[in-house]
Amino acid sequence: AQSVAQPEDQVNVAEGNPLTVKCTYSVSGNPYLFWYVQYPNRGLQFLLKYITGDNLVKGSYGFEAEFNKSQTSFHLKKPSALVSDSALYFCAVRDLYGNKLVFGAGTILRVKS
Amino acid sequence: DGGITQSPKYLFRKEGQNVTLSCEQNLNHDAMYWYRQDPGQGLRLIYYSQIVNDFQKGDIAEGYSVSREKKESFPLTVTSAQKNPTAFYLCASVSDGYTGELFFGEGSRLTVL
Repeated sequence: AQSVAQPEDQVNVAEGNPLTVKCTYSVSGNPYLFWYVQYPNRGLQFLLKYITGDNLVKGSYGFEAEFNKSQTSFHLKKPSALVSDSALYFCAVRDLYGNKLVFGAGTILRVKS
Repeated sequence: DGGITQSPKYLFRKEGQNVTLSCEQNLNHDAMYWYRQDPGQGLRLIYYSQIVNDFQKGDIAEGYSVSREKKESFPLTVTSAQKNPTAFYLCASVSDGYTGELFFGEGSRLTVL
């Protein structure tokens, strides 16, 4: 069965510093990987996805993610964090048949000024 | 503007009552999903539908029911059989079930009194 792990419940970073939110996955076959962001009491917003091709994927709001097949990871990164980046971040993987998106438990990102 | 509309935003229910959450999309997407979100548990799939008049159970379907009579609409009924219905419910849709990203509504928060 497909699964996603986000090993950190919370990540704290100072404004202007680089940030990384970690994600590892387990899936049969080729993975389709996604990152979403959620602000309090709101729906999820799509940030970026990896389907195939270049291992470094660029997305919305300056975020990027690096797909590493050997480590089965898809970490979310940003070179310079903003206070407004503070939110809940979800990693997700599409299952073998493409019917369902399986989500990780989420990581709270707190950026302090 | 295209998007997904969920209503109501907030809903209070007495124990033993059924409630129906509305989800409407004007994105012309074939597939629609209902997720439940609880703190620290990520998103769990309740039901999904890939085409009109067809739907499948997700991971936590017990105590819930859905219908898909129109492409635009995918209402969720939380029945009295759901033992712990207090949660944040999210509806989503997708155009391409394999590589496409989900579009989410703003969510409905159900509280059982």
